[in-house]
Amino acid sequence: AQTVTQSQPEMSVQEAETVTLSCTYDTSENNYYLFWYKQPPSRQMILVIRQEAYKQQNATENRFSVNFQKAAKSFSLKISDSQLGDTAMYFCAFMKHIRLDAGNMLTFGGGTRLMVKP
Amino acid sequence: NAGVTQTPKFQVLKTGQSMTLQCAQDMNHEYMSWYRQDPGMGLRLIHYSVGAGITDQGEVPNGYNVSRSTTEDFPLRLLSAAPSQTSVYFCASRGRSETQYFGPGTRLLVL
Repeated sequence: AQTVTQSQPEMSVQEAETVTLSCTYDTSENNYYLFWYKQPPSRQMILVIRQEAYKQQNATENRFSVNFQKAAKSFSLKISDSQLGDTAMYFCAFMKHIRLDAGNMLTFGGGTRLMVKP
Repeated sequence: NAGVTQTPKFQVLKTGQSMTLQCAQDMNHEYMSWYRQDPGMGLRLIHYSVGAGITDQGEVPNGYNVSRSTTEDFPLRLLSAAPSQTSVYFCASRGRSETQYFGPGTRLLVL
């Protein structure tokens, strides 16, 4: 079984600054996906960024980027130029590669509450 | 496309009552799943389905039943509600890719 750990329950950052959210995971799989989801007060789950484990290049989506360290089983999210709309819960999630197990679903970490201050 | 829809948005039940949470998707996705989110925690998998007529248990299946008679619908049944089932319930679906699409959630309060 996989486990996902987010060690920072809450974080805050000033608007326009950069913040990094941490995530570690434990798995015996070699091929898998990692995700960061954002959950604003509306509770909607929004996919922020995804990473395939076999890709060495770190994923980037506009102001969001990841630092994926496969050997260390670490997957941190960096948010640059933080905006007030980034205030939300952020969840790290793991999924085995779909070619290995087509029916597999997501395993989530406990979340990090991010507050962006004006 | 409406994506993944869930009804109701909010429900209050008394202990021992039964109810069905509805989930539907219009993206012709094979895979559907139910998660629950308790306060301060991440989502945990209750049940999932890999196609019509096929379901399986997730991490926390006790007290819940599911069925998948069509590709579009995946209802979650609470057989006899307990206060421990107070939570926010999310339905999700995905096609052949790894991307999950989540519904807006159903907030359930069991008194």
